[in-house]
Amino acid sequence: EIVLTQSPGTLSLSPGERATLSCRASQSFSSSYLAWYQQKPGQAPRLLIYGASSRATGIPDRFNGSGSGTDFTLTISRLEPEDFAMYYCQQYGSSRTWTFGQGTKVEIK
Amino acid sequence: QVQLVESGGGLVKPGGSLRLSCAASGFTFSDYYLSWIRQAPGKGLEWLSYITSSGSARYYADSVKGRFTISRDNAKNSLFLQMDNLRADDTAVYYCAKGYPTDYWGQGTLVTVSS
Repeated sequence: EIVLTQSPGTLSLSPGERATLSCRASQSFSSSYLAWYQQKPGQAPRLLIYGASSRATGIPDRFNGSGSGTDFTLTISRLEPEDFAMYYCQQYGSSRTWTFGQGTKVEIK
Repeated sequence: QVQLVESGGGLVKPGGSLRLSCAASGFTFSDYYLSWIRQAPGKGLEWLSYITSSGSARYYADSVKGRFTISRDNAKNSLFLQMDNLRADDTAVYYCAKGYPTDYWGQGTLVTVSS
């Protein structure tokens, strides 16, 4: 099973700042199978990025994904008030089991 | 628009069973992989299972293998999760989700396992 480790656990930033979230895998896999989700309290997760770098429908271009192999990054170029939330990475399809990272909370400083 | 509505959650005793359902609309159900994912109170997301579009293949997380069974009825646009031998640590909100990757999620149904 591929284990995903996200860092940091919590990111304290101000609106307008840049957020950089990391997702590291226990073994290398194809970047075609890496996704990022945003979740706000009381809501279901929303798909932001798939295939490591492709934005899902309706996702603003301030959200960017990158990476390959075992190291992946989600960057939010300038934080808007609505971006403060939990973020999860997920690997899907590189094996017959899918996994999520434990999450990074982006909170207002 | 795409809608996924879970039902069947509730309070069950340890060792008991529940069957969750997910009613889908707004897309061609039989074209898509479907998944179950859960979230324990205050915790992160845990993928449980997915089923291919035809239902010919199903995969499970180790934590539920042998206890949970995913199935689908393409004629009724419905996804199911049969959960047997439930334990306290199965307490969570259970989400159904569409696609590969999962691009739409339901709002979830709460399962509480407690005596």
